[in-house]
Amino acid sequence: EVQLVESGGGLVQPGGSLRLSCAASGFTLSNYWMSWVRQGPGKGLEWVANIKQDGGEKYYVDSVEGRFTISRDNAKNSLYLQMSSLRVEDTAVYYCARGPIGNSVDQWGQGTLVTVSS
Amino acid sequence: IVLTQSPATLSLSPGERATLSCRASQSVGIHLAWYQHKRGQAPRVLIYDGSTRATGIPARFSGSGSGGTDFTLTINSLEPEDFAVYYCQLRDSWPPRLTFGGGTKVEIK
Repeated sequence: EVQLVESGGGLVQPGGSLRLSCAASGFTLSNYWMSWVRQGPGKGLEWVANIKQDGGEKYYVDSVEGRFTISRDNAKNSLYLQMSSLRVEDTAVYYCARGPIGNSVDQWGQGTLVTVSS
Repeated sequence: IVLTQSPATLSLSPGERATLSCRASQSVGIHLAWYQHKRGQAPRVLIYDGSTRATGIPARFSGSGSGGTDFTLTINSLEPEDFAVYYCQLRDSWPPRLTFGGGTKVEIK
């Protein structure tokens, strides 16, 4: 069974940093692009970043470029999102997702809540 | 490319048909996906490539599209578990950025 389990969320002050992790199981992580998607309070889904199978290509939504870094450790079956210079508007549930595969993502984690507040 | 979903909210009764719209600001071919999202749960892919049902998705869910800009998700005979928020999504050709529509909430009337 494919499982994606996020961790690392919590309360952080504006300007602070946080590192999210996603533990993957039930499939070979190194075969897939992986993505982070978030949902702010009362808002819809927003793609944040994705990373190629070998980590050699990474892409970000404009609003997090230069502040967030996506990375992966295929040997540890893990995906990461290092978030720095956090803003109130980064408050959201962050989901780890497998893909894109073709044009969509096919598996999602349950999400981890990040709250940026003073 | 911007994806515009309508209506924002759809109030229907179990057994009725739901028709959800997603309009792209420019042609995206057939490369559109639909997701179902329930509060507190992981989103679930329903349809990819415009009309292909994902593994395990019931046949009452169907996707269609025309002209590469107008797409429809139809849910025939709503079941109680179908009341949720639905999102359309596309992937840019390159780089593979993802764009989501604003969502349509299907609520019980």
